[in-house]
Amino acid sequence: QVRLVESGGGVVQPERSLRLSCAASGFNFNHYPMHWVRQAPGKGLEWVAIISYDGSEKYYSASVRGRFYISRDNSRNILNLQMNSLRPDDTALYFCARAPNSAWHDFDSWGPGTLVTVSS
Amino acid sequence: QSALTQPRSVSGSPGQSVAISCTGTDSDIGNYDFVSWYQHHPGEAPRFIIFDVNKRPSGVPDRFFGSKSGNTATLTISGLQPEDEADYFCCSYAGINTLYVFGSGTKVTVL
Repeated sequence: QVRLVESGGGVVQPERSLRLSCAASGFNFNHYPMHWVRQAPGKGLEWVAIISYDGSEKYYSASVRGRFYISRDNSRNILNLQMNSLRPDDTALYFCARAPNSAWHDFDSWGPGTLVTVSS
Repeated sequence: QSALTQPRSVSGSPGQSVAISCTGTDSDIGNYDFVSWYQHHPGEAPRFIIFDVNKRPSGVPDRFFGSKSGNTATLTISGLQPEDEADYFCCSYAGINTLYVFGSGTKVTVL
Protein backbone atom coordinates (compact mmCIF):
# COMPACT_ATOMS: atom_id res chain seq x y z
CA GLN A 1 0.00 0.00 0.00
CA VAL A 2 1.42 3.34 -1.08
CA ARG A 3 1.98 5.69 1.83
CA LEU A 4 3.26 9.25 1.79
CA VAL A 5 3.70 11.25 4.99
CA GLU A 6 4.86 14.86 5.01
CA SER A 7 6.61 16.51 7.94
CA GLY A 8 8.52 19.64 8.83
CA GLY A 9 5.76 22.21 8.69
CA GLY A 10 5.33 24.92 11.30
CA VAL A 11 5.28 28.64 11.93
CA VAL A 12 8.19 30.59 10.50
CA GLN A 13 9.00 34.28 10.16
CA PRO A 14 9.18 35.97 6.75
CA GLU A 15 12.54 35.67 5.01
CA ARG A 16 13.47 32.59 7.07
CA SER A 17 13.89 29.03 5.79
CA LEU A 18 12.12 25.73 6.37
CA ARG A 19 12.74 22.20 5.10
CA LEU A 20 9.87 19.84 4.45
CA SER A 21 10.22 16.09 4.09
CA CYS A 22 8.01 13.37 2.69
CA ALA A 23 8.55 9.77 3.79
CA ALA A 24 7.49 7.22 1.20
CA SER A 25 6.69 3.55 1.69
CA GLY A 26 4.82 0.71 0.00
CA PHE A 27 6.33 1.16 -3.46
CA ASN A 28 9.67 1.38 -5.28
CA PHE A 29 10.35 5.04 -4.51
CA ASN A 30 13.34 5.24 -6.86
CA HIS A 31 11.12 4.39 -9.84
CA TYR A 32 8.80 7.39 -9.57
CA PRO A 33 8.96 11.14 -10.14
CA MET A 34 7.63 13.11 -7.20
CA HIS A 35 5.76 16.42 -6.88
CA TRP A 36 5.15 19.04 -4.24
CA VAL A 37 1.75 20.76 -4.40
CA ARG A 38 0.36 23.36 -2.01
CA GLN A 39 -3.00 24.77 -0.98
CA ALA A 40 -3.23 28.22 0.57
CA PRO A 41 -6.04 28.70 3.11
CA GLY A 42 -9.38 28.85 1.32
CA LYS A 43 -7.72 28.56 -2.09
CA GLY A 44 -7.23 25.96 -4.79
CA LEU A 45 -4.25 23.72 -5.32
CA GLU A 46 -1.00 25.07 -6.76
CA TRP A 47 1.72 22.94 -8.26
CA VAL A 48 5.14 23.74 -6.73
CA ALA A 49 7.86 21.44 -8.05
CA ILE A 50 8.69 18.05 -9.54
CA ILE A 51 11.80 15.87 -9.44
CA SER A 52 12.55 12.92 -11.71
CA TYR A 53 12.91 9.41 -10.34
CA ASP A 54 16.71 9.72 -10.13
CA GLY A 55 16.89 13.41 -9.19
CA SER A 56 18.51 14.43 -12.46
CA GLU A 57 15.64 16.69 -13.54
CA LYS A 58 13.93 19.33 -11.42
CA TYR A 59 11.30 21.87 -12.40
CA TYR A 60 9.62 24.63 -10.42
CA SER A 61 6.63 26.93 -10.63
CA ALA A 62 7.44 30.55 -11.35
CA SER A 63 6.24 31.57 -7.88
CA VAL A 64 8.94 29.54 -6.07
CA ARG A 65 11.75 29.30 -8.61
CA GLY A 66 15.03 30.48 -7.10
CA ARG A 67 13.71 30.20 -3.52
CA PHE A 68 12.59 26.57 -3.19
CA TYR A 69 14.68 23.50 -3.97
CA ILE A 70 13.39 19.96 -4.38
CA SER A 71 15.61 16.96 -3.70
CA ARG A 72 15.35 13.28 -2.89
CA ASP A 73 17.27 10.56 -1.08
CA ASN A 74 16.44 7.28 -2.79
CA SER A 75 18.46 5.31 -0.24
CA ARG A 76 16.09 6.47 2.50
CA ASN A 77 12.88 6.90 0.44
CA ILE A 78 12.67 10.58 1.36
CA LEU A 79 11.57 13.57 -0.71
CA ASN A 80 12.56 17.04 0.47
CA LEU A 81 11.61 20.64 -0.18
CA GLN A 82 14.01 23.32 1.01
CA MET A 83 12.12 26.59 1.25
CA ASN A 84 14.16 29.80 1.53
CA SER A 85 13.24 33.48 1.71
CA LEU A 86 9.73 32.55 2.78
CA ARG A 87 6.93 35.03 2.25
CA PRO A 88 3.48 35.31 3.84
CA ASP A 89 1.91 34.12 0.59
CA ASP A 90 3.82 30.84 0.93
CA THR A 91 1.49 30.01 3.81
CA ALA A 92 -0.22 26.79 2.76
CA LEU A 93 -0.79 23.12 3.33
CA TYR A 94 2.02 21.37 1.44
CA PHE A 95 1.41 17.96 -0.11
CA CYS A 96 3.85 15.53 -1.66
CA ALA A 97 2.45 13.42 -4.49
CA ARG A 98 3.71 10.60 -6.68
CA ALA A 99 3.65 10.72 -10.47
CA PRO A 100 3.63 7.69 -12.78
CA ASN A 101 6.96 7.57 -14.62
CA SER A 102 5.13 7.58 -17.95
CA ALA A 103 2.81 10.43 -16.98
CA TRP A 104 4.45 13.20 -15.01
CA HIS A 105 1.23 15.23 -15.36
CA ASP A 106 -0.67 12.89 -13.05
CA PHE A 107 -0.59 12.83 -9.25
CA ASP A 108 -1.62 9.27 -8.43
CA SER A 109 -0.92 9.11 -4.69
CA TRP A 110 -0.80 11.89 -2.12
CA GLY A 111 0.09 12.48 1.49
CA PRO A 112 -2.23 14.28 3.93
CA GLY A 113 -0.05 17.39 3.91
CA THR A 114 1.95 19.49 6.36
CA LEU A 115 0.99 23.06 7.24
CA VAL A 116 3.41 25.94 6.78
CA THR A 117 2.53 29.32 8.22
CA VAL A 118 4.72 32.32 7.39
CA SER A 119 4.05 35.11 9.83
CA SER A 120 5.91 37.58 11.99
CA GLN B 1 -5.97 33.16 -8.29
CA SER B 2 -6.13 29.62 -9.65
CA ALA B 3 -5.34 29.05 -13.29
CA LEU B 4 -8.41 26.89 -13.93
CA THR B 5 -11.89 28.09 -12.98
CA GLN B 6 -14.33 25.87 -11.16
CA PRO B 7 -17.69 26.66 -9.53
CA ARG B 8 -17.30 27.19 -5.82
CA SER B 9 -19.98 24.64 -4.94
CA VAL B 10 -22.52 22.22 -6.35
CA SER B 11 -25.06 20.09 -4.56
CA GLY B 12 -27.40 17.21 -5.18
CA SER B 13 -29.54 14.66 -3.41
CA PRO B 14 -28.47 11.04 -3.03
CA GLY B 15 -28.90 9.20 -6.31
CA GLN B 16 -28.84 12.34 -8.42
CA SER B 17 -26.07 13.48 -10.76
CA VAL B 18 -23.90 16.57 -10.46
CA ALA B 19 -21.50 18.08 -12.96
CA ILE B 20 -18.42 20.14 -12.11
CA SER B 21 -16.93 22.32 -14.82
CA CYS B 22 -13.28 23.28 -15.10
CA THR B 23 -12.53 26.09 -17.51
CA GLY B 24 -9.07 26.84 -18.80
CA THR B 25 -7.54 28.29 -21.96
CA ASP B 26 -6.06 27.30 -25.30
CA SER B 27 -2.73 26.94 -23.46
CA ASP B 28 -3.85 24.18 -21.14
CA ILE B 29 -7.14 22.27 -21.33
CA GLY B 30 -7.78 23.34 -24.91
CA ASN B 31 -4.39 22.13 -26.10
CA TYR B 32 -3.78 18.89 -24.22
CA ASP B 33 -5.76 15.79 -23.28
CA PHE B 34 -3.96 15.64 -19.94
CA VAL B 35 -6.78 16.61 -17.60
CA SER B 36 -7.03 14.89 -14.24
CA TRP B 37 -9.40 15.17 -11.29
CA TYR B 38 -8.88 14.74 -7.56
CA GLN B 39 -11.26 14.19 -4.67
CA HIS B 40 -10.26 15.68 -1.35
CA HIS B 41 -11.86 15.11 2.01
CA PRO B 42 -10.26 17.85 4.18
CA GLY B 43 -7.74 16.43 6.59
CA GLU B 44 -7.07 13.44 4.38
CA ALA B 45 -4.84 12.78 1.39
CA PRO B 46 -6.39 13.77 -1.96
CA ARG B 47 -7.51 10.89 -4.18
CA PHE B 48 -6.77 10.50 -7.91
CA ILE B 49 -10.08 9.76 -9.67
CA ILE B 50 -9.72 10.70 -13.37
CA PHE B 51 -6.74 10.96 -15.73
CA ASP B 52 -6.29 11.76 -19.42
CA VAL B 53 -9.71 13.48 -19.46
CA ASN B 54 -11.87 10.39 -19.09
CA LYS B 55 -9.92 7.42 -17.74
CA ARG B 56 -10.45 6.01 -14.27
CA PRO B 57 -7.67 4.55 -12.13
CA SER B 58 -8.22 1.08 -10.76
CA GLY B 59 -10.75 1.07 -7.92
CA VAL B 60 -12.57 4.27 -8.88
CA PRO B 61 -16.27 3.54 -9.44
CA ASP B 62 -17.73 4.22 -12.86
CA ARG B 63 -20.07 6.76 -11.28
CA PHE B 64 -17.23 9.21 -11.89
CA PHE B 65 -17.07 10.31 -15.52
CA GLY B 66 -14.74 12.81 -17.14
CA SER B 67 -15.15 14.68 -20.40
CA LYS B 68 -13.81 17.68 -22.27
CA SER B 69 -15.05 20.15 -24.85
CA GLY B 70 -12.83 22.95 -26.06
CA ASN B 71 -11.28 24.73 -23.09
CA THR B 72 -13.65 23.19 -20.53
CA ALA B 73 -13.38 19.84 -18.78
CA THR B 74 -16.24 18.36 -16.81
CA LEU B 75 -16.46 15.81 -14.01
CA THR B 76 -19.85 14.19 -13.68
CA ILE B 77 -20.76 12.20 -10.60
CA SER B 78 -23.83 10.04 -11.09
CA GLY B 79 -25.77 8.17 -8.43
CA LEU B 80 -24.51 10.60 -5.80
CA GLN B 81 -23.62 8.97 -2.47
CA PRO B 82 -23.02 10.55 0.94
CA GLU B 83 -19.30 9.70 0.77
CA ASP B 84 -19.01 11.77 -2.41
CA GLU B 85 -19.32 14.91 -0.31
CA ALA B 86 -15.85 16.41 -0.69
CA ASP B 87 -13.79 19.02 -2.52
CA TYR B 88 -12.92 18.28 -6.14
CA PHE B 89 -10.00 19.75 -8.06
CA CYS B 90 -9.14 19.59 -11.74
CA CYS B 91 -5.64 19.75 -13.17
CA SER B 92 -4.22 20.18 -16.66
CA TYR B 93 -0.82 20.01 -18.27
CA ALA B 94 -0.02 23.50 -19.55
CA GLY B 95 3.11 23.14 -21.66
CA ILE B 96 6.82 23.22 -20.93
CA ASN B 97 6.92 26.72 -19.41
CA THR B 98 4.10 26.42 -16.88
CA LEU B 99 3.85 22.64 -16.67
CA TYR B 100 0.82 22.00 -14.43
CA VAL B 101 -2.17 24.11 -13.45
CA PHE B 102 -4.89 23.28 -10.96
CA GLY B 103 -8.45 24.46 -10.51
CA SER B 104 -9.87 26.56 -7.72
CA GLY B 105 -11.81 23.61 -6.31
CA THR B 106 -15.49 22.76 -6.02
CA LYS B 107 -17.24 21.66 -2.86
CA VAL B 108 -19.81 18.97 -3.52
CA THR B 109 -22.59 18.77 -0.96
CA VAL B 110 -24.89 15.78 -0.74
CA LEU B 111 -28.20 17.08 0.52
